[in-house]
Amino acid sequence: DQQVKQNSPSLSVQEGRISILNCDYTNSMFDYFLWYKKYPAEGPTFLISISSIKDKNEDGRFTVFLNKSAKHLSLHIVPSQPGDSAVYFCAARASGSARQLTFGSGTQLTVLP
Amino acid sequence: DTAVSQTPKYLVTQMGNDKSIKCEQNLGHDTMYWYKQDSKKFLKIMFSYNNKELIINETVPNRFSPKSPDKAHLNLHINSLELGDSAVYFCASSPRTGGNQPQHFGDGTRLSIL
Repeated sequence: DQQVKQNSPSLSVQEGRISILNCDYTNSMFDYFLWYKKYPAEGPTFLISISSIKDKNEDGRFTVFLNKSAKHLSLHIVPSQPGDSAVYFCAARASGSARQLTFGSGTQLTVLP
Repeated sequence: DTAVSQTPKYLVTQMGNDKSIKCEQNLGHDTMYWYKQDSKKFLKIMFSYNNKELIINETVPNRFSPKSPDKAHLNLHINSLELGDSAVYFCASSPRTGGNQPQHFGDGTRLSIL
């Protein structure tokens, strides 16, 4: 059973526009959420995170929104740049556990010049 | 100055062989992990060690045995390799199990079983 779902395997966006990547989860024990970015032949790189006590966290061009009632989070990238083209993984961590991450299957973002 | 390094990057071997993947982190982290990325691209936790002690062991066949000689190293030994073991294996580390600290990943080891 997939506790973290990224229903869009791919997304294409024009350079300069906003990219919105979505993630849904089912486990109400998740209290910390992260986004990782992954280039081919490299490991995932931490991008931004949000604790369940917040509904928004911003870092430069990247903003993560959390809607706990809907069990949904999203990553906004604005403006999108060609270097942002990568696979983006949503991950979540449950309270009271040994803190391992549960990952979604990723969304391939392509930013077109 | 790589933070989390895994060797080898690629590993091609025959079914039935025994192989090891090494992982080292120079971040001073207390906790290390092994994840497996399967053909559907999900990254799934296999093991977690905190200060050389096993704290997570998901439902992984006992042909997989992690070894942590010190808190900077977590190696993965696999006995009697099977076709289904073909995957990319990622090592990761974090400062500690508690608190909101992101995990840092190595670049992965692509294991191919012939």
